[in-house]
Amino acid sequence: DVKVTQSSRYLVKRTGEKVFLECVQDMDHENMFWYRQDPGLGLRLIYFSYDVKMKEKGDIPEGYSVSREKKERFSLILESASTNQTSMYLCASRATDTQYFGPGTRLTVL
Amino acid sequence: QKEVEQNSGPLSVPEGAIASLNCTYSDRGSQSFFWYRQYSGKSPELIMFIYSNGDKEDGRFTAQLNKASQYVSLLIRDSQPSDSATYLCAVKNSGYSTLTFGKGTMLLVSP
Repeated sequence: DVKVTQSSRYLVKRTGEKVFLECVQDMDHENMFWYRQDPGLGLRLIYFSYDVKMKEKGDIPEGYSVSREKKERFSLILESASTNQTSMYLCASRATDTQYFGPGTRLTVL
Repeated sequence: QKEVEQNSGPLSVPEGAIASLNCTYSDRGSQSFFWYRQYSGKSPELIMFIYSNGDKEDGRFTAQLNKASQYVSLLIRDSQPSDSATYLCAVKNSGYSTLTFGKGTMLLVSP
């Protein structure tokens, strides 16, 4: 079974804080993805990575950065959190064509 | 911008009925199609994928694909209250490893 874990289920941060969201997969997958999901807007791709130290912008990269130093770990960074970044953040890992999701982190920025 | 369209619902069906969920997509080059189920507050879980035109069955679920019409559907037979969830259609973008997701259809199965 593919296992994707995320560091926190719920997170509350203050405006302007630097926020790290971590994702780990245990299947040696090369491709990993970060999405955010908002009511009425669906799942939107923030960044993805093809391999270690490789990253590509998705549809909404503004205000975010990512890091992939090891194959199993893909981190999403909010350099200076803002209230409009309050959302559900989902990490996914890809095997062949299929993406498998972690449990998600619900981030609230106050 | 590649698009995947789904009716937001809710689609309400009685227990035991067939639920039919539909999806259209804009990328003519897409070759891989996925259905995910998402319970409230949870992450999406894969139900089925389909690559070829026609039907693909897995238990109570049948995925149908018509590439000429750019249309994918999911049928759920003998619907159960536990099937009540949001169903997301996803299409693999041609030439990339990324997926474009529809906004999902909420399904409500009443006992």
